[in-house]
Amino acid sequence: QSVLTQPPSASGTPGQRVTISCSGSSSNIGSNYVYWYQQLPGTAPKLLIYRNNQRPSGVPDRFSGSKSGTSASLAISGLRSEDEADYYCAAWDDSLSAYVVFGGGTKLTVL
Amino acid sequence: EVQLVESGGVVVQPGGSLRLSCAASGFTFDDYTMHWVRQAPGKGLEWVSLISWDGGSTYYADSVKGRFTISRDNSKNSLYLQMNSLRTEDTALYYCAKPAMTTVNSLFDYWGQGTLVTVSS
Repeated sequence: QSVLTQPPSASGTPGQRVTISCSGSSSNIGSNYVYWYQQLPGTAPKLLIYRNNQRPSGVPDRFSGSKSGTSASLAISGLRSEDEADYYCAAWDDSLSAYVVFGGGTKLTVL
Repeated sequence: EVQLVESGGVVVQPGGSLRLSCAASGFTFDDYTMHWVRQAPGKGLEWVSLISWDGGSTYYADSVKGRFTISRDNSKNSLYLQMNSLRTEDTALYYCAKPAMTTVNSLFDYWGQGTLVTVSS
């Protein structure tokens, strides 16, 4: 059972906009930045969004992040076949039982 | 270019020990807290441990506390994870991860390719 809650799956057709949610608590998302990672099959996770809504250089502006209270979301617009991957949210946690917490991951399928 | 290269993963019996290494390059290693994160086969990401820039502070997930020890050698730009009393549930791909910023609560911008630890009799 992951500390951050994500839907296990999401899907969309090419060109569509898809959002993935991430729900936490006051000790993690509520008081710390949210990060989003993309993991393609057989590869290491790649940073997509940092500090809630910032994109590293090289990440297309089709990817955007937002946060409100104890929840966050990742939006992907203009969906492309190469976006098919697992997506994870993550945050620092102040509860002292786990300093970094992840969502369980969302498998995105491009139909 | 930032590079993180893990090594040391093998097949080990339950109760056994193993030491993982991560060789870092392309950034000022001793400016950063460093982390280990693992991923069991077909499962999600699980944070394992972190160590402060100077090695003075270490923290662990409850699942590994008392069994794993994180350390670093800044003169060699290297991070380590000593794993003792291994259990089958420790079977995973172990990633070394670098935070995006030098602040202690920054999460990761670079990950290694991972090293596979299999605990099996």
